[in-house]
Amino acid sequence: GESVGLHLPTLSVQEGDNSIINCAYSNSASDYFIWYKQESGKGPQFIIDIRSNMDKRQGQRVTVLLNKTVKHLSLQIAATQPGDSAVYFCAEILNTDKLIFGTGTRLQVFP
Amino acid sequence: DARVTQTPRDKVTEMGQEVTMRCQPILGHNTVFWYRQTMMQGLELLAYFRNRAPLDDSGMPKDRFSAEMPDATLATLKIQPSEPRDSAVYFCASGIGQGTITFGSGTRLTVV
Repeated sequence: GESVGLHLPTLSVQEGDNSIINCAYSNSASDYFIWYKQESGKGPQFIIDIRSNMDKRQGQRVTVLLNKTVKHLSLQIAATQPGDSAVYFCAEILNTDKLIFGTGTRLQVFP
Repeated sequence: DARVTQTPRDKVTEMGQEVTMRCQPILGHNTVFWYRQTMMQGLELLAYFRNRAPLDDSGMPKDRFSAEMPDATLATLKIQPSEPRDSAVYFCASGIGQGTITFGSGTRLTVV
């Protein structure tokens, strides 16, 4: 089926700690994955992507890990800041261009 | 910065009225998506276009929803007649190939 789900609906972390947001996907044929950040009142914003021929990709303070064996995706945020508070979605690309979103995880950063 | 522009930003309408939401994709982007976001269902893909041709509208209620791209600079999503259960935020997004897909700020629709 076409479904992408998240393990944790809410994640609370202390400022400065690292955050890990997880995602399970169901379609083994998906070959491209994207993490989006959505702040209140705004549209989803691209964070980082990864293709299925990779297992790790790093950006500025963010790292995405892909485990195709168990169909698992994670987003790691280093030194989490208050500005990182938002809802994070993983999404997969099906059939070359169909973008399907997971259910989202809310990240709360407290001082 | 290039952006996807959606209008109106907010819309309140009475049940039974027609609602039209508009989207101006980023110039040069050939793929346009319409999503609906609610607390219960999250981000649902309603329809998407490539080079103005509809590729998939299976997520859209066919009896009342319609999506079109009259030209490359305009995508529309129409609901007729609108119902309270249509209340949601509707997002348009555009992209090119499997490159970055950029979202607009959304149209918040309230049907009373």
